[in-house]
Amino acid sequence: ETGVTQSPTHLIKTRGQQVTLRCSSQSGHNTVSWYQQALGQGPQFIFQYYREEENGRGNFPPRFSGLQFPNYSSELNVNALELDDSALYLCASSLVEVQETQYFGPGTRLLVL
Amino acid sequence: GENVEQHPSTLSVQEGDSAVIKCTYSDSASNYFPWYKQELGKGPQLIIDIRSNVGEKKDQRIAVTLNKTAKHFSLHITETQPEDSAVYFCAASKGAAGNKLTFGGGTRVLVKP
Repeated sequence: ETGVTQSPTHLIKTRGQQVTLRCSSQSGHNTVSWYQQALGQGPQFIFQYYREEENGRGNFPPRFSGLQFPNYSSELNVNALELDDSALYLCASSLVEVQETQYFGPGTRLLVL
Repeated sequence: GENVEQHPSTLSVQEGDSAVIKCTYSDSASNYFPWYKQELGKGPQLIIDIRSNVGEKKDQRIAVTLNKTAKHFSLHITETQPEDSAVYFCAASKGAAGNKLTFGGGTRVLVKP
């Protein structure tokens, strides 16, 4: 186990709704990255947060947004949900000094109906 | 941007045999290459990684090789066991110069007892 926790484990929403997913990083880790993993595919980078600011973003629209808190935990918010947003959302934590070495949580499975 | 290709997509081996998974990457600036193991219902688990200043790295039954000239890297699992059955992902990153991991499509490994 990595020590990265995510909540909730599963979530069902309808198209157009908004969702907030939460992540607590591994103890001592100050950087959090979020990934989307569609069924049968590799994870895709959404964005990374360090010092409560976005520190890089992948090819995702602005309706995907995030927050990082002083205790390094993080939230992923998705507005105006679409059917294609159904996926496993993974949070990974790392040290900014070695930010490429990322440890993943168990993920949140989101189903959009 | 970076593109990572992974082969094969599925791999079936007899217990005790070796398994080899190969990945190629496109961006010559990538210098960090981790491998993750993902079991059903869990997040990806970092099993081994290699940096571009090293050609080979070994950890018990797992080894990774890197050929920077050809831009490919491989995961070798020896003496496979049923608990090695999982989906394996390779990834690439620019290390300190970048903050995201670009993943391959995954290899589903089945170890038959």
